[in-house]
Amino acid sequence: GENVEQHPSTLSVQEGDSAVIKCTYSDSASNYFPWYKQELGKGPQLIIDIRSNVGEKKDQRIAVTLNKTAKHFSLHITETQPEDSAVYFCAASSRGSTLGRLYFGRGTQLTVWP
Amino acid sequence: DAGVIQSPRHEVTEMGQEVTLRCKPISGHNSLFWYRQTMMRGLELLIYFNNNVPIDDSGMPEDRFSAKMPNASFSTLKIQPSEPRDSAVYFCASSLEEAYNEQFFGPGTRLTVL
Repeated sequence: GENVEQHPSTLSVQEGDSAVIKCTYSDSASNYFPWYKQELGKGPQLIIDIRSNVGEKKDQRIAVTLNKTAKHFSLHITETQPEDSAVYFCAASSRGSTLGRLYFGRGTQLTVWP
Repeated sequence: DAGVIQSPRHEVTEMGQEVTLRCKPISGHNSLFWYRQTMMRGLELLIYFNNNVPIDDSGMPEDRFSAKMPNASFSTLKIQPSEPRDSAVYFCASSLEEAYNEQFFGPGTRLTVL
């Protein structure tokens, strides 16, 4: 099955700086790559996703990039704010072949210091 | 829509007792997932269903764990007998397979086995 690796496991940044989280995947059939944010005491929530026919996607301060050749994708958060502090998970799946299953990375604990 | 509903939100029990966790997926979703989250192991997929049929239960730790989905709007995860190492947060998530597998997570059940 698919194997998703995520780095770093923890990340601390100053408010206003940028944060980058990187993931790699193993299955070339994967074509959907979502990112989830988990705040303390809550379930993970989708914040952005990218499909394999797109190389980059932006939504305000967050952006995702995908390199299909190298099998890696990244989450970029600019102008970080304390409310961005959370655990972020990347995931991968192959639409149509896994009946909805997502393969998650281990997560990155992001702390933004004011 | 109320989102994915899980009950109870917190459960404290003694070793050897039976524990039943409940989940109501989002109406219309046809895939349902049970996850376990711990600091040591991260977010683990235990079992998932598609159209009420169990697809992959390879993540279920051992025979003490069982899951059912008697209809499209209800699922249970049962642990019998429970052990202290089962203490974790258990999440239920649902998705619409045709919608690129975006999963919607419930708030989780925090289980403590004494």
